[in-house]
Amino acid sequence: EPEVTQTPSHQVTQMGQEVILRCVPISNHLYFYWYRQILGQKVEFLVSFYNNEISEKSEIFDDQFSVERPDGSNFTLKIRSTKLEDSAMYFCASSRGQGIGNQPQHFGDGTRLSIL
Amino acid sequence: AQSVAQPEDQVNVAEGNPLTVKCTYSVSGNPYLFWYVQYPNRGLQFLLKYITGDNLVKGSYGFEAEFNKSQTSFHLKKPSALVSDSALYFCAVRDEGNGGFKTIFGAGTRLFVKA
Repeated sequence: EPEVTQTPSHQVTQMGQEVILRCVPISNHLYFYWYRQILGQKVEFLVSFYNNEISEKSEIFDDQFSVERPDGSNFTLKIRSTKLEDSAMYFCASSRGQGIGNQPQHFGDGTRLSIL
Repeated sequence: AQSVAQPEDQVNVAEGNPLTVKCTYSVSGNPYLFWYVQYPNRGLQFLLKYITGDNLVKGSYGFEAEFNKSQTSFHLKKPSALVSDSALYFCAVRDEGNGGFKTIFGAGTRLFVKA
């Protein structure tokens, strides 16, 4: 069964540095998402992306964050000037469509981001 | 706004016994409900969903969930628990607000199945 893949599995970065988290969604999916899970807390929506633009973003997704689909397969999350509180597990997800029949969203295994 | 609540942080059950993981929801409009499971160091795996139709929904790994509109609940169940079912379980609802289709997750319930 096709999977969403994320790299790296673990990223350690100095505070203030930029980090790019990479995702390869399922190939025939058109809608892409990033979620965040701070250790021991719930999974939180960050952003959804379709047709090369952001569909919706949460209040967490401020100017520090950006997303991009640089080619036909990758979907990236960039965090500029990282802060300690950005340390979390970041999950990428994709879905074939937005309609009811095209749910659920399929999730990758996540990238654990540790900010030092 | 859509939301789900999982009232139990942890559920303990003996192997072979039935298990229930509770979830209640609050939605405006039709509820589109999901259960996901998360194993250690893994992503979220889809278990089952309720969109419409039968109130008892069957999913992966022998799990099922019962949609109860009057009680606004969507409890996850399995007739006979396995040790390998031990994991973190998330109830979720689809939120169609603001033109997007994000998933809103509950806080999660950790299931421990003892041999």
